[in-house]
Amino acid sequence: AQTVTQSQPEMSVQEAETVTLSCTYDTSESDYYLFWYKQPPSRQMILVIRQEAYKQQNATENRFSVNFQKAAKSFSLKISDSQLGDAAMYFCAYSTSRTGTASKLTFGTGTRLQVTL
Amino acid sequence: NAGVTQTPKFRILKIGQSMTLQCAQDMNHNYMYWYRQDPGMGLKLIYYSVGAGITDKGEVPNGYNVSRSTTEDFPLRLELAAPSQTSVYFCASSTSFIGRGAHLPSGANVLTFGAGSRLTVL
Repeated sequence: AQTVTQSQPEMSVQEAETVTLSCTYDTSESDYYLFWYKQPPSRQMILVIRQEAYKQQNATENRFSVNFQKAAKSFSLKISDSQLGDAAMYFCAYSTSRTGTASKLTFGTGTRLQVTL
Repeated sequence: NAGVTQTPKFRILKIGQSMTLQCAQDMNHNYMYWYRQDPGMGLKLIYYSVGAGITDKGEVPNGYNVSRSTTEDFPLRLELAAPSQTSVYFCASSTSFIGRGAHLPSGANVLTFGAGSRLTVL
């Protein structure tokens, strides 16, 4: 079974600075997907970024980027130019990529990000 | 476009009562899921469905039942509610893609979540 580990329960960053959230995972599969989801106080789960394991290039979405190290099974999220609206719980998640199968996500326990002035 | 709609948003149950959490999606997604989120934890999969009439257990199915009579709806039934079922419940849906390899379209394998339903069992 796959597992996802987030070892940082809480992180803090000053507005406009950069912060990196860590995630490691364990799997025996070679093809899979990794995700970062954001959960603000509203509870809504919002997709931040997605990485396909077969791609060597790290995914980027505006101020959000990942450092995907497949051999090390590491998938960190970097938030640049942090904004107050980035304050939330961030979850790392894994899913298999077998076509025609359900995208059953395995989640980490989350990292709560605080953004200070 | 409403996406994934869950009702109710909040509910308090007494031990032993039953209830149904409703979930509907209007994106014509084949796959639907129910997750629960306990305090300080990530989401865990309760049940999922790959299409109308087909459901399967996830990681934590005990105490729950589901049905999928239409593509749009995926209700979650709690029978004999217990305090251990106090949680926030999320419904989600995703597209399917039939093809070869892992090179899926950008929308595939991405879950769209509902806003969650907070359930307290006292």
